[in-house]
Amino acid sequence: AQSVTQLDSHVSVSEGTPVLLRCNYSSSYSPSLFWYVQHPNKGLQLLLKYTSAATLVKGINGFEAEFKKSETSFHLTKPSAHMSDAAEYFCVVSDRRDNDMRFGAGTRLTVKP
Amino acid sequence: ETGVTQTPRHLVMGMTNKKSLKCEQHLGHNAMYWYKQSAKKPLELMFVYSLEERVENNSVPSRFSPECPNSSHLFLHLHTLQPEDSALYLCASSQGLSWANEKLFFGSGTQLSVL
Repeated sequence: AQSVTQLDSHVSVSEGTPVLLRCNYSSSYSPSLFWYVQHPNKGLQLLLKYTSAATLVKGINGFEAEFKKSETSFHLTKPSAHMSDAAEYFCVVSDRRDNDMRFGAGTRLTVKP
Repeated sequence: ETGVTQTPRHLVMGMTNKKSLKCEQHLGHNAMYWYKQSAKKPLELMFVYSLEERVENNSVPSRFSPECPNSSHLFLHLHTLQPEDSALYLCASSQGLSWANEKLFFGSGTQLSVL
């Protein structure tokens, strides 16, 4: 069985400062990992996806995430936050063998002017 | 716009009502999904349809009944719901059939309130 833990339920940053949203996973196999974003009153949108190619994955809107197997982490970062980044972010781990996809509980990002 | 449309956006129903949620995708995808999103809880996968056949049913109560008449449409029929069923119901679709490894395209959801 696999699981995913988002370490912070809420992160608050000032506009123009770096963003770090933390995600740890547990998987008995080489997992696929995703980050999705959900803006208010919207569905989820894929930011980026890791599937055992390059460990540093670049996504949309300037976000990127680094797969660290030794730390079982897949943290999401952005060098400079924008007001439009305020949303809920979900880390997802999946196992193709079991057709099992698990969502984290989400991290709400607030961006202050 | 993700190409996945859900109606209605909001629904209020009593516990004895029967209602249906509708999802439509215009992306030519082969798999469609229903997810339940409750406050402070991870998304819960309810149903997966691949090429119009149900391939996953995650121990969902029988008061939720899915229907997939074709690859573009997905319904969730609701009857005799409980207040704890109040949540945001999200529909998603994906191109491939290895659905646990696919990029999902989500609709905006139906916010359901059961009184």
